[in-house]
Amino acid sequence: GENVEQHPSTLSVQEGDSAVIKCTYSDSASNYFPWYKQELGKGPQLIIDIRSNVGEKKDQRIAVTLNKTAKHFSLHITETQPEDSAVYFCAASINQAGTALIFGKGTTLSVSS
Amino acid sequence: DVKVTQSSRYLVKRTGEKVFLECVQDMDHENMFWYRQDPGLGLRLIYFSYDVKMKEKGDIPEGYSVSREKKERFSLILESASTNQTSMYLCASNRVGEQYFGPGTRLTVT
Repeated sequence: GENVEQHPSTLSVQEGDSAVIKCTYSDSASNYFPWYKQELGKGPQLIIDIRSNVGEKKDQRIAVTLNKTAKHFSLHITETQPEDSAVYFCAASINQAGTALIFGKGTTLSVSS
Repeated sequence: DVKVTQSSRYLVKRTGEKVFLECVQDMDHENMFWYRQDPGLGLRLIYFSYDVKMKEKGDIPEGYSVSREKKERFSLILESASTNQTSMYLCASNRVGEQYFGPGTRLTVT
């Protein structure tokens, strides 16, 4: 079955720096790769996603890149702010419809001002 | 505004008790999911459902069962709670793509 590895498990940056979180997946049939942000006391919330027919997607300060050949994808956050501090999860789809997901173990991002 | 609600934010049960965790979504989504979240292990899929009365096992179904009698409601059942089932339980739903999560139920089994 699908396996998703996520690194690093913790990441500390200064406000204004960039943050990069990387994930690898094992099943070449996976076709949907979302990223979720979880703030304290809340459920995860989607921040950006990418499908397998696209190599890169950007939304303001957040971007995701996908390398299907190498089976890895990354989240890039530029100009980090204290409110970016949270736990971030990558995920990969485990069915053709892309409706069910396997998640990575998460990255705790801390942005200090 | 989309909404997934879970019956309790905090729950304390004794070993051997039967435990029901309820999840309700108001978005008419076909798919519903139950995860457990533990420190250092991320979110692990327990069960999911594509339709009423249908269910599929996830990565860690042992010790759990589910029920989906109505489209909007998905229940997670611990037949005989054990201490290793102490965890945060998250419910989610979707049609395609984005999964919408509830706030979670923190279950403690003593």
